Amino acid sequence: GENVEQHPSTLSVQEGDSAVIKCTYSDSASNYFPWYKQELGKRPQLIIDIRSNVGEKKDQRIAVTLNKTAKHFSLHITETQPEDSAVYFCAAKYYGNNRLAFGKGNQVVVIP
Amino acid sequence: DVKVTQSSRYLVKRTGEKVFLECVQDMDHENMFWYRQDPGLGLRLIYFSYDVKMKEKGDIPEGYSVSREKKERFSLILESASTNQTSMYLCASSPYGTGGEKLFFGSGTQLSVL
Repeated sequence: GENVEQHPSTLSVQEGDSAVIKCTYSDSASNYFPWYKQELGKRPQLIIDIRSNVGEKKDQRIAVTLNKTAKHFSLHITETQPEDSAVYFCAAKYYGNNRLAFGKGNQVVVIP
Repeated sequence: DVKVTQSSRYLVKRTGEKVFLECVQDMDHENMFWYRQDPGLGLRLIYFSYDVKMKEKGDIPEGYSVSREKKERFSLILESASTNQTSMYLCASSPYGTGGEKLFFGSGTQLSVL
């Protein structure tokens, strides 16, 4: 099955700086890659996703990039704010499979 | 807004007890999922269901079973609770046609087995 790994496990950034989290996946047939954000004590929520026919997608201060050749995708957060502090989970799914394979999560800490 | 409601936020049970975790969604979603969340291990899929009375095993089904008698309700059952099942349990749903994408999560049930 699909295996998804996230690096680094914890990332600390100064407020206003950018943060980048990278995920690698194992199955070249995977074609859907979402990112979920989980604030402390709250439920995970989908913040952005990308399909394999697109190389980059942006939504305000967040963006996701996909490198199919290297089998990795990254979450970029620009102009970080304290409310960006959370655990971020990446996931991957291949066509015909009704389930996501999640990574173990990255803790992002934005230092005011 | 989609609402996924889990019946209990915190639950304390004794070893060997039969435990029911309930999840209800109000958006007519076909797909429903049960995940377990443990520190450092991320979200691990226990079971999922893509239709009433249908179920499929996830990555860690041992010690668990599920029931989906109605479309809006998906129950996770611990037949005989053990201490290694102490964890946060998250229910999720997703609409038909998304193939398990676009998950909407409940707030979670923190289960402690003593």
